[in-house]
Amino acid sequence: GAGVSQSPSNKVTEKGKDVELRCDPISGHTALYWYRQSLGQGLEFLIYFQGNSAPDKSGLPSDRFSAERTGGSVSTLTIQRTQQEDSAVYLCASSQSPADTQYFGPGTRLTVL
Amino acid sequence: GESVGLHLPTLSVQEGDNSIINCAYSNSASDYFIWYKQESGKGPQFIIDIRSNMDKRQGQRVTVLLNKTVKHLSLQIAATQPGDSAVYFCAENRGFGSSARQLTFGSGTQLTVLP
Repeated sequence: GAGVSQSPSNKVTEKGKDVELRCDPISGHTALYWYRQSLGQGLEFLIYFQGNSAPDKSGLPSDRFSAERTGGSVSTLTIQRTQQEDSAVYLCASSQSPADTQYFGPGTRLTVL
Repeated sequence: GESVGLHLPTLSVQEGDNSIINCAYSNSASDYFIWYKQESGKGPQFIIDIRSNMDKRQGQRVTVLLNKTVKHLSLQIAATQPGDSAVYFCAENRGFGSSARQLTFGSGTQLTVLP
């Protein structure tokens, strides 16, 4: 079956611009997660959704970062006024329920010039 | 083994040999651990998981060992193949009130399989 998909696969933007990253979870998965992976680093948790609500936003690095999820499915991560330090691969994962294994998408590579 | 920092630990093994990748975790309250494999340009791929009430779990060609006393996790890959070359991450669930699995990842180990 289809896995987690993310778009775009690559995004190059100029410093100060806003970007939107999209995640389509596996159908039927109620939990959705966003992580960030900087070059040569492990994954840094950003935010988690259960259904359309986000009980844990503790990982968002600043108020320039926001995320939403609609219809219990697609999620969008928005970064406003991008900075060079935002450059990273942004990974989305979903799980059937919060206690189940997380399956990852291929990521969006964001480059801020 | 795993470490925090910019330099990825590396492990090189001969094709056909067994590989052991180590990970030290930090939170004694963590109750769930996962190993992921990440190939270049791809997202992490689930390999195997283990809960804290177990000390060993086996999958196909892989075994995870958990030593809670010293907070150590290892991944053993039997008969390593060229396709096993990747970065391997361990992840722990530090848990929070909702029971959701907020995973905390190590920095990864680069496994290279030599012909």
